[in-house]
Amino acid sequence: GAVVSQHPSWVICKSGTSVKIECRSLDFQATTMFWYRQFPKQSLMLMATSNEGSKATYEQGVEKDKFLINHASLTLSTLTVTSAHPEDSSFYICSARGGDTNYGYTFGSGTRLTVV
Amino acid sequence: GDSVTQMEGPVTLSEEAFLTINCTYTATGYPSLFWYVQYPGEGLQLLLKATKADDKGSNKGFEATYRKETTSFHLEKGSVQVSDSAVYFCALRSNTGNQFYFGTGTSLTVIP
Repeated sequence: GAVVSQHPSWVICKSGTSVKIECRSLDFQATTMFWYRQFPKQSLMLMATSNEGSKATYEQGVEKDKFLINHASLTLSTLTVTSAHPEDSSFYICSARGGDTNYGYTFGSGTRLTVV
Repeated sequence: GDSVTQMEGPVTLSEEAFLTINCTYTATGYPSLFWYVQYPGEGLQLLLKATKADDKGSNKGFEATYRKETTSFHLEKGSVQVSDSAVYFCALRSNTGNQFYFGTGTSLTVIP
């Protein structure tokens, strides 16, 4: 079946530094990728949608200059959290559309980001 | 807007107990409804789905019925196993877009 690999699974970084999270579709071409964020005891919230080769579409309230999304190929999307602050600490998870899953959505395993 | 309200956890059950995790939704039109499961260290996996009213999704002994009159999609299993320990997410996707709306997740621990 369709597999999405997300890396790293957890990361701790210092305030002010940038962190890159990768999301790869291993056995299918992901025409669209989605990035979600989950704060403790809250729902997964969609941050942005990216189509291969075009700029990402950000949800209201998400800073595009802070959360840089690149979807340069059909198998890779990256989320870079720039100048991270403790309030950016969260669980980030990607989803890729394509492949043979129901409605073509496959989720990665998520990344736990802690900014200290 | 669309939203999902899910029973808060954590839930701890003994093996072979009956499980219910409540989920209700708010949506315009006719959304599709899903239950996803996340095992420790893994991604979200689709557990079951239903696309229209009165549909019943089922998989691995889990069931959920799309109830439009009560806007609910409660997850049930008659006899849980230790291996069912995971976080369960209820979700909907509107029939007009790609976006999923998730509940907060319910952590289930099954003890022998």
